[in-house]
Amino acid sequence: QSVLTQPPSVSAAPGQKVTISCSGSSSNIGNNYVSWYQQLPGTAPKLLIYDNNKRPSGIPDRFSGSKSGTSATLGITGLQTGDEADYYCGTWDSSLRKVFGGGTKLTVL
Amino acid sequence: EVQLVESGGGLVKPGGSLRLSCAASGFTFSSYSMNWVRQAPGKGLEWVSSISSSSSYIYYADSVKGRFTISRDNAKNSLYLQMNSLRAEDTAVYYCARGIGWFGELSYYFDYWGQGTLVTVSS
Repeated sequence: QSVLTQPPSVSAAPGQKVTISCSGSSSNIGNNYVSWYQQLPGTAPKLLIYDNNKRPSGIPDRFSGSKSGTSATLGITGLQTGDEADYYCGTWDSSLRKVFGGGTKLTVL
Repeated sequence: EVQLVESGGGLVKPGGSLRLSCAASGFTFSSYSMNWVRQAPGKGLEWVSSISSSSSYIYYADSVKGRFTISRDNAKNSLYLQMNSLRAEDTAVYYCARGIGWFGELSYYFDYWGQGTLVTVSS
């Protein structure tokens, strides 16, 4: 059971918008920045969002992040079939461990 | 270009040992924290261990504490994971990842990941 809670799956049509939630507690999300990772099928995870809402170079602005209290949200607009992947939120915990959500599988219908 | 290349995975019997390596290039290795993250087949990401840039600070997940040892050689731009007393539940793809920030700082995330190396623990 993951420390951070994500929905197992989300889906939307091409061109639409989807959001993925990540719920934690005051010992992790509540006091630290959140990052998001995209894992395309058969590949290694890739950093998508860091420090709650910042995008690394090369990540399109269709991807956005936000945080409020002990929850964070990843937003993806203008969905493309190439966005089909598993998405993970992550942060660190006051127990001095790095924690991830259980992952959300995005299906672009 | 930042590159992280893991090696050393394979099939090992329960109770056995294995040493993973991660060769880094394209950045000043000695300036960054490094990490191991694993992913069991069909499962999510699980943090395994982190080591600070100078090896002064090391942290482990409870699931591997006492069995795994993380280390680094800054002269060789390499990260290691010595895995002892392996169990079936250690079966996973093991990724090394570069860290930005550290525990205790607001921000601590992994900006580059290797392609992973598969460890299978089975009799």
